[in-house]
Amino acid sequence: SQQGEEDPQALSIQEGENATMNCSYKTSINNLQWYRQNSGRGLVHLILIRSNEREKHSGRLRVTLDTSKKSSSLLITASRAADTASYFCATGDSNYQLIWGAGTKLIIKP
Amino acid sequence: NAGVMQNPRHLVRRRGQEARLRCSPMKGHSHVYWYRQLPEEGLKFMVYLQKENIIDESGMPKERFSAEFPKEGPSILRIQQVVRGDSAAYFCASSPDKKGYDSPLHFGNGTRLTVT
Repeated sequence: SQQGEEDPQALSIQEGENATMNCSYKTSINNLQWYRQNSGRGLVHLILIRSNEREKHSGRLRVTLDTSKKSSSLLITASRAADTASYFCATGDSNYQLIWGAGTKLIIKP
Repeated sequence: NAGVMQNPRHLVRRRGQEARLRCSPMKGHSHVYWYRQLPEEGLKFMVYLQKENIIDESGMPKERFSAEFPKEGPSILRIQQVVRGDSAAYFCASSPDKKGYDSPLHFGNGTRLTVT
């Protein structure tokens, strides 16, 4: 079953603005990962944050994790047209499977 | 270092035919995952394989679907007697780590199966 739920389902912002996407999950996790999917392509890994970490940065990306609320957020700063894509969170527990959310569709308007 | 290669990119089959989807993992990766994705939806896990072993096929329908990852050659996802409901994008991902949840997955660009 799908555990991660991204919010919002769709987000449209102007180029240069910041974009924030959220992910909620239900069970305990070892880590949470964010992926990007461009239309018609496979998924690309962005960031992995472990359950004992609270925040992680990679370039213009900032991910936070709140295990008490079972939620994570992905912030993209200074958005660009090339950031237009769907963004998925996936949670890993003690099993080997990742559980995926349905994604947030991000549109950056020039 | 070549990424995960899937072929074909697009596959059209008539109802009742067989579909064979191939996936060559990244070099050095021995763990392969197959996922299915419907339009505007997330990924649904199908099967997890290591070389010559099916580790978890709990996401794969018991009938008509099978998967293998032989010692030599690509992983194959096989769908027999396809029906319209099998139309979807099928993604393969690989990882080097035994604990696949703990390392990033590398995805291919998928095979888009259309059943007419």
